[in-house]
Amino acid sequence: EIVLTQSPGTLSLSPGERATLSCRASQSISSSYLAWYQQKPGQAPRLLIYGASSRATGIPDRFSGSESGTDFTLTISRLEPEDFAVFYCQQYGSSPYTFGQGTKLEIK
Amino acid sequence: QLHLQESGPGLVKPSETLSLTCTVPGGSITSRSYYWGWIRQPPGKGLEWIGSIYYSGTTYYNPSLKDRVTISVDTSKNQFSLKLSSVTAADTAVYYCARHGRIASGRLNWFDPWGQGTLVTVSS
Repeated sequence: EIVLTQSPGTLSLSPGERATLSCRASQSISSSYLAWYQQKPGQAPRLLIYGASSRATGIPDRFSGSESGTDFTLTISRLEPEDFAVFYCQQYGSSPYTFGQGTKLEIK
Repeated sequence: QLHLQESGPGLVKPSETLSLTCTVPGGSITSRSYYWGWIRQPPGKGLEWIGSIYYSGTTYYNPSLKDRVTISVDTSKNQFSLKLSSVTAADTAVYYCARHGRIASGRLNWFDPWGQGTLVTVSS
């Protein structure tokens, strides 16, 4: 099973700042098979990024994803008030399909 | 946007079987491009994939739950269902259904969209 470790656990930033969230895989994930989701309180997760760097339909271009080996990064270039939430990464390189433990992005 | 809807009891007694249904609107449950999955989230915790099913009935389960899980599909009702047996308090969670993408090779990928989720509490 591929274990995904997200860091930091909590990130405190202000609107307008840049956010960098990390997701590290315990082993190589084939073909960039990693997705990112955003979850707001009381809501279901929403797909942001798939294939490590492709934005889902309707996702603003301030959200971007990248990878370097087993390290994956979600970057929000300029935070808007509605961006504050919990973010999860998910790998689909192999079953079982696993999620990271989440990073909470909170307003400073 | 596709709106999935979970339904089922919100309270289940320990040792009994949790049963939930997800309704997929518009007949798209028979699409060859998707599986249909269940994911759960204990209160205040992260996400765990439970399993996924194709319209033909092919299933994939998380090994950690495989001995207790059954996922089935009823294409005539545009529904798929989850049964989790011998539940304990550790199975208390919000249960989500979601569309689980499938590529031509048969590989499954991301979940999109998700239902709103339903909280199931295991308690006597």
